[in-house]
Amino acid sequence: QVQLQESGPGLVKPSETLSLTCTVSGYSISSGYYWGWIRQPPGKGLEWIGNIYHSGSTYYNPSLKSRVTISVDTSKNQFSLRLSSVTAADTAVYYCARGVGWPPAWYFDLWGRGTLVTVSS
Amino acid sequence: EIVLTQSPGTLSLSPGERATLSCRASQSVSSSYLAWYQQKPGQAPRLLIYGASSRATGIPDRFSGSGSGTDFTLTISRLEPEDFTMYYCQQYGSSPLTFGGGTKVEIK
Repeated sequence: QVQLQESGPGLVKPSETLSLTCTVSGYSISSGYYWGWIRQPPGKGLEWIGNIYHSGSTYYNPSLKSRVTISVDTSKNQFSLRLSSVTAADTAVYYCARGVGWPPAWYFDLWGRGTLVTVSS
Repeated sequence: EIVLTQSPGTLSLSPGERATLSCRASQSVSSSYLAWYQQKPGQAPRLLIYGASSRATGIPDRFSGSGSGTDFTLTISRLEPEDFTMYYCQQYGSSPLTFGGGTKVEIK
């Protein structure tokens, strides 16, 4: 059974960098699929942040591209998100998910439970 | 960027009734790359439909998707109590991937 689990600080100060990790169990990231991050501000809709392949190829939402870095560590079966210069507008539940398809066309068939990140001083 | 508009914002129906949810795109979605998700409070989205009309693994056949181009529909043939929640569409025909604003199906 494939599972995804987000981890990282739940509180980040404005102007700092948000860092999250997604640990995948039950499936080797190196075996295929693309792996992505999606966020959802409280009470609002979903926003795609970006995807990564096990080779390290990345695909970002242009609206966030200047602040986002997604990386992969196949030895730990994890992929990570870094979002710099955060503001209150970045407060959201952050989900990691498995992307099905090929660039730039993916839907997401498996999701982590999500983790709430609050940006506040 | 393709903007997806879901309507209605809220759908008030009774168990056993048929639900019809709409997702309209600001431009044509190539290859019918349109997915639907169900999201319950406090939970992650769950994939229902991909490719506009293909049911995901384990999804009951009361859920069906249709449409092409700019107009897509999710139909729930007979509402069960557990179906009263939020639904989102997502297009993956062009980058960036985008989601609709959601439709809430509530008990009348």
